[in-house]
Amino acid sequence: SQKIEQNSEALNIQEGKTATLTCNYTNYSPAYLQWYRQDPGRGPVFLLLIRENEKEKRKERLKVTFDTTLKQSLFHITASQPADSATYLCALDGGYSTLTFGKGTMLLVSP
Amino acid sequence: DAGVIQSPRHEVTEMGQEVTLRCKPISGHDYLFWYRQTMMRGLELLIYFNNNVPIDDSGMPEDRFSAKMPNASFSTLKIQPSEPRDSAVYFCASSLVRESEQFFGPGTRLTVL
Repeated sequence: SQKIEQNSEALNIQEGKTATLTCNYTNYSPAYLQWYRQDPGRGPVFLLLIRENEKEKRKERLKVTFDTTLKQSLFHITASQPADSATYLCALDGGYSTLTFGKGTMLLVSP
Repeated sequence: DAGVIQSPRHEVTEMGQEVTLRCKPISGHDYLFWYRQTMMRGLELLIYFNNNVPIDDSGMPEDRFSAKMPNASFSTLKIQPSEPRDSAVYFCASSLVRESEQFFGPGTRLTVL
């Protein structure tokens, strides 16, 4: 069955450093992958979409890579700020217009 | 646009009671999704609609759960009878077209005692 893995442990980094979050998947060949941010008590908010034929996508301080051979996506936040502290969810094309979400990784950026 | 609107934001009920959650998607969006989020299982898709028609309800856990979309601007998720294990945050989301970003509502936190 399809499986998506994100680090369950929180990632703690210092302000100004680059945060790198990992999303691994198995038994899957998604056509695209999305990343969302979720703050406590709120719904997920879309950040980036990357398709299977794209290696890398950037948006301001965010960068996403998609390696279909390794079945892995990396999500980078450069020059991280305390305001970047949140849970980040990876979501894969689940077929038929749906998304299958990972459980997310909490990022804590300390000043 | 105000975004996806959900009501109520919080619901506390007793086991056996009927619960109705409501959602107003973003105007013009063709797809509407209902999700449930728990610490154990993460964010799970329950059912989704395309142009008001239910397409896939395989994520609905039991017959106690039902969802309707009588028109393009309103959907309900009903649980009858509710059980303590239904306690979770329920999200509604909408999207414009296939493979596009999903816009989530603020969620309804349901507690069944």
